[in-house]
Amino acid sequence: EVQLVESGGGLVQPGGSLRLSCAASGFTFSNFWMTWVRQAPGQGLECVANIKPDGSEEFYVDSVKGRFTISRDNAKNSLYLQLNSLRAEDTAVYYCARGWVTDWGQGTLVTVSS
Amino acid sequence: DVVMTQSPLSLPVTLGQPASISCRSSQSLVHSDGNTYLNWYQQRPGQSPRRLIYKVSNRDSGVPDRFSGSGSGTDFTLRISRVEAEDVTIYYCMQGTHWPYTFGQGTKLEIK
Repeated sequence: EVQLVESGGGLVQPGGSLRLSCAASGFTFSNFWMTWVRQAPGQGLECVANIKPDGSEEFYVDSVKGRFTISRDNAKNSLYLQLNSLRAEDTAVYYCARGWVTDWGQGTLVTVSS
Repeated sequence: DVVMTQSPLSLPVTLGQPASISCRSSQSLVHSDGNTYLNWYQQRPGQSPRRLIYKVSNRDSGVPDRFSGSGSGTDFTLRISRVEAEDVTIYYCMQGTHWPYTFGQGTKLEIK
């Protein structure tokens, strides 16, 4: 069974940083693209970053370019999202997702507020 | 970015009756590999989205056969043949052909 478990969310001040993690199990992690998707409270869904299976290429939505960094450790079956220079509009539940957004974790809430 | 437009945004439904949601994209979703990466998701309150349909018309494992997807190019539809109480929630389409992958605004099914 595919399992994706996110962690690392919390309350952070504007301009602050957080590192989100996603622990993957139940599939061969190193074979799959991985994506971070976020959902602001009561709002829709937005793909913010994704990464090739070997980690050699990363892609970002314009609103997070230069502030967020996606990475992975295939030896640890883990996906990461480094969030820097956080803004109020980054407040959302952040989900990690496998492949072409097939399977989702339960999400971790990031709240940016002073 | 590819804009995905769902309609309606709110759909009053009668249990046991069919329902249909439209999703239109601002450009063709046919990938250079020949596939069309259009997915449909269901999201219940407080839960993560669940994929129902992938590549336009393929049902995921465990998805009831009352759900079906169709369409091509820029015009896609999710149909529920007979709405059950557990289906009354929010549905999203998503294109995975062009980065950034983008979602529709969501369609909320409500009991009429």
